[in-house]
Amino acid sequence: QKEVEQDPGPLSVPEGAIVSLNCTYSNSAFQYFMWYRQYSRKGPELLMYTYSSGNKEDGRFTAQVDKSSKYISLFIRDSQPSDSATYLCAMRGLTGGGNKLTFGTGTQLKVEL
Amino acid sequence: DSGVTQTPKHLITATGQRVTLRCSPRSGDLSVYWYQQSLDQGLQFLIQYYNGEERAKGNILERFSAQQFPDLHSELNLSSLELGDSALYFCASSAEGRLYEQYFGPGTRLTVT
Repeated sequence: QKEVEQDPGPLSVPEGAIVSLNCTYSNSAFQYFMWYRQYSRKGPELLMYTYSSGNKEDGRFTAQVDKSSKYISLFIRDSQPSDSATYLCAMRGLTGGGNKLTFGTGTQLKVEL
Repeated sequence: DSGVTQTPKHLITATGQRVTLRCSPRSGDLSVYWYQQSLDQGLQFLIQYYNGEERAKGNILERFSAQQFPDLHSELNLSSLELGDSALYFCASSAEGRLYEQYFGPGTRLTVT
């Protein structure tokens, strides 16, 4: 079993929809939770990070972490065609292992006009 | 543009050969990370260097090695290449004390024939 599980999709939504992307994890030592966006043939781009549990909002994006359930989410409001990309969750512990990030396999999102 | 540069963009080589991938981190970043991204395995952490010293090791094969030079650029050496080594190789960098913020380069696409 992988440490981080993520539904690969593809997820197709109409423009303006609210998108929910999720990851589950098994390692209770994870404390930092990140979301990256990756356009085709490009490097991952850091969208948001959250430390421990709670919510964080940045414009149209909201990240949620529920450590009790080992479940994290990224919500995208008013989705746009430019949001079409693969979204990767990533996690790391507080100490040890350098700054190693453990990634999910990514969810492919397509926002259609 | 993340500020991380990687060369070359594409590399096509034959089985059994050796290649070197190069990465320049963002200005001021001391940590460099190497990742491999393949379709079936997702983004896998290979190795981290901090200011010239190896800091953490992931799923890096013995045929692969890396180093970070005094000017902080890094090279990933892949030898005795196999078909299964075909993948995207990403370099990322992070600043001191910013454990969760890794900035990725555009990647090198390696094709082994």
